[in-house]
Amino acid sequence: AQTVTQSQPEMSVQEAETVTLSCTYDTSENNYYLFWYKQPPSRQMILVIRQEAYKQQNATENRFSVNFQKAAKSFSLKISDSQLGDTAMYFCAFMKHGSSGDKLTFGTGTRLAVRP
Amino acid sequence: KAGVTQTPRYLIKTRGQQVTLSCSPISGHRSVSWYQQTPGQGLQFLFEYFSETQRNKGNFPGRFSGRQFSNSRSEMNVSTLELGDSALYLCASSAGLAGGIAKTQYFGPGTRLLVL
Repeated sequence: AQTVTQSQPEMSVQEAETVTLSCTYDTSENNYYLFWYKQPPSRQMILVIRQEAYKQQNATENRFSVNFQKAAKSFSLKISDSQLGDTAMYFCAFMKHGSSGDKLTFGTGTRLAVRP
Repeated sequence: KAGVTQTPRYLIKTRGQQVTLSCSPISGHRSVSWYQQTPGQGLQFLFEYFSETQRNKGNFPGRFSGRQFSNSRSEMNVSTLELGDSALYLCASSAGLAGGIAKTQYFGPGTRLLVL
């Protein structure tokens, strides 16, 4: 079974600064997918960024980027130029590759507060 | 494209009753997954349907069931409600194919269920 660990329950960052959220996972799979989702107070879960394990290049989406270290089973999210709208719960999630079915395994989340 | 929609958005039920939640996926998506979110247990996978077949199932009692229709819309049913079933129920859709971008799940706004 896969497990996802987010060791930072809460974080705070000043607007316009950079913050990094940590995520580690445990799996015996070689091919898999990793995701970061954000859940603002409205509760809608929104995809932030995704990474395919067989791709060595780290994924980036505008101000969001990841540091994917496959050997260390680490998948951290960096948010640059933080904005007030980035205030949310952030969840790291894992999915196996293949056609056996889609199932996301989530971490416990990191609550990020962006201070004005 | 319209996003994932869930109805109803809020529900209040009493113990012992049953409830049916509905999810309409993004057009063209054939996989629908259901998750339960509670403060104590976090995000937990319930089940996944692809082309009207249950392809994956989480560790929930048989009171939790689901189905998918030919138009990919899905319903989940909880019978004999218990207080502990109070939660946010999230539905997610994806293309459901074997790999790559098709594995990405997009979430609906959720149905908040309160059991009294």
